[in-house]
Amino acid sequence: KAGVTQTPRYLIKTRGQQVTLSCSPISGHRSVSWYQQTPGQGLQFLFEYFSETQRNKGNFPGRFSGRQFSNSRSEMNVSTLELGDSALYLCASSLFASASYGYTFGSGTRLTVV
Amino acid sequence: GIQVEQSPPDLILQEGANSTLRCNFSDSVNNLQWFHQNPWGQLINLFYIPSGTKQNGRLSATTVATERYSLLYISSSQTTDSGVYFCAVELDFGNEKLTFGTGTRLTIIP
Repeated sequence: KAGVTQTPRYLIKTRGQQVTLSCSPISGHRSVSWYQQTPGQGLQFLFEYFSETQRNKGNFPGRFSGRQFSNSRSEMNVSTLELGDSALYLCASSLFASASYGYTFGSGTRLTVV
Repeated sequence: GIQVEQSPPDLILQEGANSTLRCNFSDSVNNLQWFHQNPWGQLINLFYIPSGTKQNGRLSATTVATERYSLLYISSSQTTDSGVYFCAVELDFGNEKLTFGTGTRLTIIP
């Protein structure tokens, strides 16, 4: 079966712009989580969605937002981009709202802010 | 919040060698996972191991929950084992947030 699909794979944006990243979970998975990976801060939890509801949010500014659609696909948006937002953004999907059930990551979107 | 520390941060080994990676966590957890991040950035789950020992081929893992640490063993290393290894903990059941460790970068030299 198809894995977690993230698009686009690479993105270059200018400071002040906004960006939208997409994540399609494994078929049947209803939970999607997002993580940011940077060399300085490592892997940090952004937010988690289950059945179109945000259940958990990490310690990130309001410029970071997301949503989940009825087909479980999720998008995250970053507005007013800053240089420090350059990172690998990873999403993971799971069957239930727990990281213990088939938690599978996508290959990520690498965002560069110039 | 919970602290998750991994050691060593970097490890360089000859092909065929064995290695032990350690993960210490500062509070009790519902679950612990080990991941391998491949060169393309994808995190591949290796083990779900809240306690006890599991083995999968050349890899095995042990978690001693009462002492708050986990070990990942890699035997007869191959160049394809190179990459970054992360442990990650889930604090509560139903809380899907994973807190990741600092990672161990493993380089296997032919």
